[in-house]
Amino acid sequence: KNQVEQSPQSLIILEGKNCTLQCNYTVSPFSNLRWYKQDTGRGPVSLTIMTFSENTKSNGRYTATLDADTKQSSLHITASQLSDSASYICVVTGGSQGNLIFGKGTKLSVKP
Amino acid sequence: DVKVTQSSRYLVKRTGEKVFLECVQDMDHENMFWYRQDPGLGLRLIYFSYDVKMKEKGDIPEGYSVSREKKERFSLILESASTNQTSMYLCASRSLAGSSYNEQFFGPGTRLTVL
Repeated sequence: KNQVEQSPQSLIILEGKNCTLQCNYTVSPFSNLRWYKQDTGRGPVSLTIMTFSENTKSNGRYTATLDADTKQSSLHITASQLSDSASYICVVTGGSQGNLIFGKGTKLSVKP
Repeated sequence: DVKVTQSSRYLVKRTGEKVFLECVQDMDHENMFWYRQDPGLGLRLIYFSYDVKMKEKGDIPEGYSVSREKKERFSLILESASTNQTSMYLCASRSLAGSSYNEQFFGPGTRLTVL
């Protein structure tokens, strides 16, 4: 069964600290993996996309990694800011029909 | 910038009412999607449309229908609203032009409460 699992479910960190969010998937065949950021009461916005051949991709203070062999991805946030408080959703495109499979998200709270 | 708008941010309806949720995108995208998002369950696909007048059931279509008469507009219809349809509803659109890795752009969401 095609699934995307994210951990932790929620996370609280202090402003200025780093954190890493995890995404494990069992989707096959794999096409790509996106990380979305969803602010409270808003729609998700894409942060980065990873394809099979990419290991690392950065977008400002956000760095995503992909290990296609172990089917794991991580999103690392450096020097967190209060505005990073949001839910982060991992979405894998794949399967026999190229469907989008959503993780349930990690809710990040950055405290001053 | 791509803009996806939804007709209401907040909506309160009564059980049994017919409810229309409207979504409009301004980038001539072929694909449009309706999701619902519930705590602990993430986003679940209700219906999607490849193009005008085309529609496909998603993972949880029961109790919903859709309409796509114009390319820019995708409507979600709750024929007879029930309390278990209380949720956040998100619309998205995607272009088919260029890369198959094209991003889905989401609207701001409609928080529907059915009493």
